[in-house]
Amino acid sequence: DAGVTQSPTHLIKTRGQHVTLRCSPISGHKSVSWYQQVLGQGPQFIFQYYEKEERGRGNFPDRFSARQFPNYSSELNVNALLLGDSALYLCASSFWDRGQPQHFGDGTRLSIL
Amino acid sequence: GQNIDQPTEMTATEGAIVQINCTYQTSGFNGLFWYQQHAGEAPTFLSYNVLDGLEEKGRFSSFLSRSKGYSYLLLKELQMKDSASYLCAVTLSGGYNKLIFGAGTRLAVHP
Repeated sequence: DAGVTQSPTHLIKTRGQHVTLRCSPISGHKSVSWYQQVLGQGPQFIFQYYEKEERGRGNFPDRFSARQFPNYSSELNVNALLLGDSALYLCASSFWDRGQPQHFGDGTRLSIL
Repeated sequence: GQNIDQPTEMTATEGAIVQINCTYQTSGFNGLFWYQQHAGEAPTFLSYNVLDGLEEKGRFSSFLSRSKGYSYLLLKELQMKDSASYLCAVTLSGGYNKLIFGAGTRLAVHP
């Protein structure tokens, strides 16, 4: 069975640009969450979506947005990129929206020049 | 605020046993997860504790004390491939599936 898939694997952008990251959850999983992981730190929660509705938002600026599609895949958008946005962006999926282990994709490594 | 503490680094010998501790102070608590993350890879799920006590799964065991805000991950019969970061994460009561992670513990297993 396919796990969580994310694209692209790596991305290089410059300050001020915008980026779209994509995630396909494990088949049957209806909840998708996004996390940002800076080197040497644990992942930080950005968003959770369940059944196409936003269920939670972390402490990130409005430059970060996301959505979930009818097939449960998801996109994370970041506008007006800053150097500090350089990180590994992880997508995780689970069947329900709570009390379930989340399964992570390999992430998108975003570098801002 | 939410606070989750783990040791930054640990070293151990192949074949030995190691215990990685995690303490948490959060507003509300639902459950605690342990994840393993090899360098450059995704976190992989190891265990989930909701109730007090020990959960055993092969070479890995996880313990939770809700009253003390304390958990540990026990790794037995250490192998070189166990060298990785181990992440402790908490979910909060009344909320959704938001994981609040500690900074992780880097474990180095030596021959």
